Amino acid sequence: GIQVEQSPPDLILQEGANSTLRCNFSDSVNNLQWFHQNPWGQLINLFYIPSGTKQNGRLSATTVATERYSLLYISSSQTTDSGVYFCAVESYKYIFGTGTRLKVLA
Amino acid sequence: KAGVTQTPRYLIKTRGQQVTLSCSPISGHRSVSWYQQTPGQGLQFLFEYFSETQRNKGNFPGRFSGRQFSNSRSEMNVSTLELGDSALYLCASSLEPGLAGGGVTQYFGPGTRLLVL
Repeated sequence: GIQVEQSPPDLILQEGANSTLRCNFSDSVNNLQWFHQNPWGQLINLFYIPSGTKQNGRLSATTVATERYSLLYISSSQTTDSGVYFCAVESYKYIFGTGTRLKVLA
Repeated sequence: KAGVTQTPRYLIKTRGQQVTLSCSPISGHRSVSWYQQTPGQGLQFLFEYFSETQRNKGNFPGRFSGRQFSNSRSEMNVSTLELGDSALYLCASSLEPGLAGGGVTQYFGPGTRLLVL
């Protein structure tokens, strides 16, 4: 089946720093989403992005479907950005990556 | 518009018991998916329902089952609970099921935390 790998697994930043999270997938997919899971477990949609680039405030994402990867950019990070970031791809079922655990220090 | 709701939010059971979890999707959404999240296995797909029919199923034993009602609400049931079933169970809804030409965004509920003792 499709493998989804995320890197780095853990990331610690000072408030105000920028970061790039990566999601690699092993086969072509129909759908790719990025989520943020807050400390209470709630998964929050960030982007639906099977291809191309999207921006939403301090966050942006790019998916290069032909090369099977997606990137999530976080600029000017804030402590509220802390949590786990997941990418999820869809083939015949939804497959989540292992996540990147981000901690932003004040 | 109200989001995805899940009940109960927390549950403690003992081995061998069974449990039923409930999920109400966003109004107008007809597809409901269930996921199990554990520290060791991460987020794993359980099953997806659309129009009261199971469309896809993940690699879980038959002790895990689900159903969807005509109002799109869904329930999942776990029988003969094992310690390893302790997890956060997440429900997601979308307008249409996956593979419907793309453009399907899933919205997740807050989850049910199940502890099996």
